[in-house]
Amino acid sequence: ETGVTQTPRHLVMGMTNKKSLKCEQHLGHNAMYWYKQSAKKPLELMFVYSLEERVENNSVPSRFSPECPNSSHLFLHLHTLQPEDSALYLCASSREDGREQYFGPGTRLTVT
Amino acid sequence: RKEVEQDPGPFNVPEGATVAFNCTYSNSASQSFFWYRQDCRKEPKLLMSVYSSGNEDGRFTAQLNRASQYISLLIRDSKLSDSATYLCVVNLGRKNYGGATNKLIFGTGTLLAVQP
Repeated sequence: ETGVTQTPRHLVMGMTNKKSLKCEQHLGHNAMYWYKQSAKKPLELMFVYSLEERVENNSVPSRFSPECPNSSHLFLHLHTLQPEDSALYLCASSREDGREQYFGPGTRLTVT
Repeated sequence: RKEVEQDPGPFNVPEGATVAFNCTYSNSASQSFFWYRQDCRKEPKLLMSVYSSGNEDGRFTAQLNRASQYISLLIRDSKLSDSATYLCVVNLGRKNYGGATNKLIFGTGTLLAVQP
């Protein structure tokens, strides 16, 4: 399935690096989400964009910076991360009501 | 209390067995409910919505008890390919948390391993 794609699929970065995660949806949705999934923890919602406007930021540290240039693309810019930020980062999209969300394959991030 | 609580398992069952997963949620104003499936090292995928009247999709049956704030998923005649983590998901609804979109709260998931 290629409804929601994410790149890269795997990323190893040092604590001083800057990198970006990319998400693209081909479903005609107008809401997009970033989630973090750590081992033994439920998915944590990080950011929500609806109609390209950020509507939710769940107290995420400023070392994570989202960008949504249009309704099909979403980025997560990373800088000066910590080892505890190592996790699976999942992008999702939905219609504006957000009830049924479709996920991308995720980026598995390791911070060394 | 966790917003969505599930038994983490693992549930180890033989092929052909019937297995049931339970889930409880804390917010009585929650509006809608879902089961997602997540295979190892893959993304979550919507399995089915859960309706108050109960609903069935092939071998899968979902039930909701709003009074008890309890959701269940029953899998009959389990297959090897059913092995995955099953995530209970609750929609808070935009009015309940003041957001512009509905907000999904995920449980930690229940791991199912179907044995040959």
